[in-house]
Amino acid sequence: EIVLTQSPATLSLSPGEGATLSCRASQSVSRYLGWYQQKPGQAPRLLIYDASNRATGIPARFSGSGSGTDFTLTISSLEPEDFAVYFCQQRYLWPLTFGGGTKVEI
Amino acid sequence: QVQLQESGPGLVKPSETLSLTCTVSGASVSSGSYYWNWIRQPPGRGLEWIGYTQYSGTTNYNPSLKSRVTISPDTAKNQFSLKLTSVTAADTAVYYCARADTSGSYRNWFDPWGQGTLVSVSS
Repeated sequence: EIVLTQSPATLSLSPGEGATLSCRASQSVSRYLGWYQQKPGQAPRLLIYDASNRATGIPARFSGSGSGTDFTLTISSLEPEDFAVYFCQQRYLWPLTFGGGTKVEI
Repeated sequence: QVQLQESGPGLVKPSETLSLTCTVSGASVSSGSYYWNWIRQPPGRGLEWIGYTQYSGTTNYNPSLKSRVTISPDTAKNQFSLKLTSVTAADTAVYYCARADTSGSYRNWFDPWGQGTLVSVSS
């Protein structure tokens, strides 16, 4: 199966700062990589699909890039509600797999 | 607005069978446009895709769980279910149900999700 490795495990930032999260795949997933946001006690929410497409209703401060094995989620200016855990997921091969997550904390 | 809601026992004994149901509103389990999925998250850990069913009963499971998992639709009740046999403490997790499109831009992306239900395996 494809292993997704996220870094860093934790990112400590302040509101207004930018955030850069990384997801690396153990083999190429083309552009079939997505990102989810999970807040405490809530289900994950789809943010980005197919590397760079924002899901419905997702603010423009969230952007994704990358292809092959290296992908990045960028939050241009952190809002208080953006402090959460972010997971990447690939849909290139079955079984679908997720990364271990990056916690963005204040 | 599509909503999914998990239900089932919050405590299961080791070696027994975990059974959960996902009730869908705002969409039809009978639609051929969707995969109906189960995903789990052990406390403080990452996410693991368990498998999916389609309206026809077609399934696809994670090989790591395949020998113990059954996911099936109940189109009359607009629900789908998960059964996991021979559970151990390692199966303790929050279990989520989620929808994914079978084609198009949202193919195999999970959206939306249910709120999740914690299942603990303990005697």
